[in-house]
Amino acid sequence: GENVEQHPSTLSVQEGDSAVIKCTYSDSASNYFPWYKQELGKRPQLIIDIRSNVGEKKDQRIAVTLNKTAKHFSLHITETQPEDSAVYFCAASHRSGGYNKLIFGAGTRLAVHP
Amino acid sequence: SQTIHQWPATLVQPVGSPLSLECTVEGTSNPNLYWYRQAAGRGLQLLFYSVGIGQISSEVPQNLSASRPQDRQFILSSKKLLLSDSGFYLCAWIDRVGANYGYTFGSGTRLTVV
Repeated sequence: GENVEQHPSTLSVQEGDSAVIKCTYSDSASNYFPWYKQELGKRPQLIIDIRSNVGEKKDQRIAVTLNKTAKHFSLHITETQPEDSAVYFCAASHRSGGYNKLIFGAGTRLAVHP
Repeated sequence: SQTIHQWPATLVQPVGSPLSLECTVEGTSNPNLYWYRQAAGRGLQLLFYSVGIGQISSEVPQNLSASRPQDRQFILSSKKLLLSDSGFYLCAWIDRVGANYGYTFGSGTRLTVV
């Protein structure tokens, strides 16, 4: 079935460094790839997304890249700050039985140390 | 504006007791609705999704059931809880009319089965 793999599971960086999280997906028909940030005990919140007709998208310190041929996409956070510490989830759209749903990766726990 | 409400926020239930979690959406009509479960320190597992009143699709065989008695109401239930049902339950919706496929999550219910 459809699957999204996410790496690494944990990531520790120093404040000001960059962080990169990578995901691969199995469904070649996936056309929408959102990223969510989940702070401890809270709901996941959408931070950025990319559609299959675009290779890269940037929003201030965060950017996403998509390689449809290789079926992988990445989240890049530059100039990391302690408030970036959270669990990040990638997801890929999947259409089944005429309905859309999102398949999530297992998450990456990012720790930014001052 | 669209909002999603989920309650209760926390719940401690004994093994074998029933369960009812409720999710309602405001400010939209005919949304796709989803129930996800997140075990402690783990990713998001899709349990059920619904594209309309009375239409429920189950993703994994389990001890839980879902119902959609009204367009903007989605209920997660169990007749007899198991210890393995503990987790963080998240309701989510997407606007079927809109082009944005990103989910908006409710604030979640943290269920502990003892």
